[in-house]
Amino acid sequence: GQNIDQPTEMTATEGAIVQINCTYQTSGFNGLFWYQQHAGEAPTFLSYNVLDGLEEKGRFSSFLSRSKGYSYLLLKELQMKDSASYLCAVTDSNYQLIWGAGTKLIIKP
Amino acid sequence: SQTIHQWPATLVQPVGSPLSLECTVEGTSNPNLYWYRQAAGRGLQLLFYSVGIGQISSEVPQNLSASRPQDRQFILSSKKLLLSDSGFYLCAWSYSRTGVDIQYFGAGTRLSVL
Repeated sequence: GQNIDQPTEMTATEGAIVQINCTYQTSGFNGLFWYQQHAGEAPTFLSYNVLDGLEEKGRFSSFLSRSKGYSYLLLKELQMKDSASYLCAVTDSNYQLIWGAGTKLIIKP
Repeated sequence: SQTIHQWPATLVQPVGSPLSLECTVEGTSNPNLYWYRQAAGRGLQLLFYSVGIGQISSEVPQNLSASRPQDRQFILSSKKLLLSDSGFYLCAWSYSRTGVDIQYFGAGTRLSVL
């Protein structure tokens, strides 16, 4: 079956760096996405990886290793507004998007 | 630029009542359209997707149905709601012609069936 694993919850301190991991087992691979979802709101797109390596977007970076079925989202200089759930999703060989359950990130002052 | 509208934002309905949620996209043509449901503290469950007018694919058997009467309009319906239909319903669109099929979400509808 197809599966995406992320930690359920993480806690970090304002101003620090946090890494949210995602491992996947899917039938084929056509890209990996990260979304941010604040409580009670819709997910918003953060980043996309299709090739191995690091994609950087300001304070956020996303890394992919296809051979290991592994990705991480790196958040730097954490701000209180970064408190949210972070969803990992993978496009399989049929171009269907498979979603992880999300990681709830709690930022403490 | 493209925008997606979804309404209503919240809805409280009695068990057995009908449902109609509407989603429209502006600023693009022939988008892929999706309906998701998210239970509290859970991931996104794909309910329906559509690649064109009148073309609907169902992912999960349930008492819900979807229709796409116009290119940029997607409707989620039910004839009789169940308690288990409560949840956060999200409409999304994507545009796969660039090869990167990023989904963008509407604001969502929080449905409570009582």
